[in-house]
Amino acid sequence: DGGITQSPKYLFRKEGQNVTLSCEQNLNHDAMYWYRQDPGQGLRLIYYSQIVNDFQKGDIAEGYSVSREKKESFPLTVTSAQKNPTAFYLCASTNRVGYTEAFFGQGTRLTVV
Amino acid sequence: DQQVKQNSPSLSVQEGRISILNCDYTNSMFDYFLWYKKYPAEGPTFLISISSIKDKNEDGRFTVFLNKSAKHLSLHIVPSQPGDSAVYFCAAWEYGNKLVFGAGTILRVKS
Repeated sequence: DGGITQSPKYLFRKEGQNVTLSCEQNLNHDAMYWYRQDPGQGLRLIYYSQIVNDFQKGDIAEGYSVSREKKESFPLTVTSAQKNPTAFYLCASTNRVGYTEAFFGQGTRLTVV
Repeated sequence: DQQVKQNSPSLSVQEGRISILNCDYTNSMFDYFLWYKKYPAEGPTFLISISSIKDKNEDGRFTVFLNKSAKHLSLHIVPSQPGDSAVYFCAAWEYGNKLVFGAGTILRVKS
């Protein structure tokens, strides 16, 4: 079945550590996105990539980094510079930019301990 | 600054009645709008969409209305069912760029 796989589902991190969230899609979609969900704030865009080897900052990119070396993979690194990393992280993909629905993974819940 | 606003954090409706969820936007570059449904600890699932050249789109129990002059859209669910209880997000495509979401509205359908 085609879809988006995020792993792990739950992740615990100590303060000061970097951590990488995985996102893989087998939908052959060109564009991929990372969103963060906090209570009462909806989904806020962290980074997005419209094509391999290219990506742009979203609205809340500070403290995060990404790479897009392969079409099917878009990992997100939460660095120690991110002040409030505890959140629910969602990865999405679209087959084109605009005029289409985005497909989402099941999310990763990151907790800083 | 939020470009997509869902001003009602929650809505409670009786089973069988109509649910109306509202969304306002500020960016005139938005040209395609979507509604998503989300359960806790899961990814959002797509419900229905509408292009800026239309003012209505219908799919079964779900209808989306777009009022471009007022920069307002709404999602109507008729009849509402207990399984519709979830968080509903309004989203908008900025032309050729990115997909922006609102803060969400929690819908509770009481049986």
